[in-house]
Amino acid sequence: GENVEQHPSTLSVQEGDSAVIKCTYSDSASNYFPWYKQELGKRPQLIIDIRSNVGEKKDQRIAVTLNKTAKHFSLHITETQPEDSAVYFCAANAGNMLTFGGGTRLMVKP
Amino acid sequence: GAVVSQHPSRVICKSGTSVKIECRSLDFQATTMFWYRQFPKQSLMLMATSNEGSKATYEQGVEKDKFLINHASLTLSTLTVTSAHPEDSSFYICSTRGQGKFYEQYFGPGTRLTVT
Repeated sequence: GENVEQHPSTLSVQEGDSAVIKCTYSDSASNYFPWYKQELGKRPQLIIDIRSNVGEKKDQRIAVTLNKTAKHFSLHITETQPEDSAVYFCAANAGNMLTFGGGTRLMVKP
Repeated sequence: GAVVSQHPSRVICKSGTSVKIECRSLDFQATTMFWYRQFPKQSLMLMATSNEGSKATYEQGVEKDKFLINHASLTLSTLTVTSAHPEDSSFYICSTRGQGKFYEQYFGPGTRLTVT
């Protein structure tokens, strides 16, 4: 089955700096890669996703890149703000289901 | 995205009792719902896939007789934790596959179960 590795597990940045979270996956058949943001005690919220037919997707301050050959994808957050502090999860589909990475706790210091 | 509700948001029960958690899709008919379990500071672990009108598909290592799933309608799936023990204490979250979107999932707010 699919295996998704996520790094780093924690990331601390200064407000205004950029943050990058990286994920690798094992199943070359995976073609959908979403990113979720989860604040403490709340539900994961889909913030951006990418499908295998594109290499990059942007939405304001967040962007995701995908390298299908190397089987890795990354989340980029620019101009970080304190409200970006949360746990971020990447995922990859295995058939109809999603396999999640271990999560990255992002802390943005004001 | 899809709107998903869960009830209750928090529940405390005694060891040996059963607890039922409801997951509702509020704005569309969901033929498939997923149940996840999340321990503190850990990732989301898929427990089972709930299919309307048929038996749920459980992930390896998840006891189907302990975690009973019923998906009797297109808007409601329930998870019953039977004979709960303290090690079952966790955050249980359901999700639905978005309408018309084959892979996107939208999560409910979660249920925090504490077994004393």
